[in-house]
Amino acid sequence: DAKTTQPTSMDCAEGRAANLPCNHSTISGNEYVYWYRQIHSQGPQYIIHGLKNNETNEMASLIITEDRKSSTLILPHATLRDTAVYYCIVGFVQGGKLIFGQGTELSVKP
Amino acid sequence: GAVVSQHPSWVICKSGTSVKIECRSLDFQATTMFWYRQFPKQSLMLMATSNEGSKATYEQGVEKDKFLINHASLTLSTLTVTSAHPEDSSFYICSARTGRAFFGQGTRLTVV
Repeated sequence: DAKTTQPTSMDCAEGRAANLPCNHSTISGNEYVYWYRQIHSQGPQYIIHGLKNNETNEMASLIITEDRKSSTLILPHATLRDTAVYYCIVGFVQGGKLIFGQGTELSVKP
Repeated sequence: GAVVSQHPSWVICKSGTSVKIECRSLDFQATTMFWYRQFPKQSLMLMATSNEGSKATYEQGVEKDKFLINHASLTLSTLTVTSAHPEDSSFYICSARTGRAFFGQGTRLTVV
C-alpha cells in the first residue's frame, strides 16, 4: 500500500503559486520524499526530492515539516503546462521499489 | 540526466498473441528495474521488480506466467505479455533507479 495521502484534485490560477500537500505520517527515518508528475499518456517526470531539509530547484520547492510527517510541493508560478497529476512518494535513496498513491490532479486555469 | 527508454510506444495485437516490451537504461547500469501498469484514470500499479541475472519478483496478484520478465543485461529488461486478452490492454511503464527513479515514456498496449 502507498505510504502517502494527497488530495484528489486542486485548481490553481495561472501565474499563482500552486501548493500541493502530502501526508506521509509513517515515513521511516531513512526514507526520502519524492515528487513526480505525470502528464497524460507519458511516463512520470521527476520534480524534486528531500530528506528533512527544504529543497529548491528550477522546477519547484519542497517544504518538509520538522516531524517529517507531511510535506508541500510548491510550484511558484504555475503555468498551463503544469497541469498534470502530481505524485508524492516515499522511498529509500539507495534503491528499492516506489509505490504510487493516487496523486493530486492539478488543473491550472487561465 | 539519466534516461530510460521504452519500446514500442504503442502496440496493437490480436487476442491470444504475445507482445514484448523493452526497457533500456541508456546511460547508466541498472541491476534492478521496475514494471508498472496503469489503467485509465488510475495511478501506477507496481507489477514486478526485474533483477539482472535472476528471477523477477512479482507483486501480489500479478500472474508471473502471464507477464514474463527477463533482465538479461545491466541495461535491458523486457516484459512479455503472453496470450494477451482485451483486459490486458493498458499503459505499461518501466523504471530504473540511480538514486531517484527514471521512467520510460510508457507503452500503450491495445489487445483486439
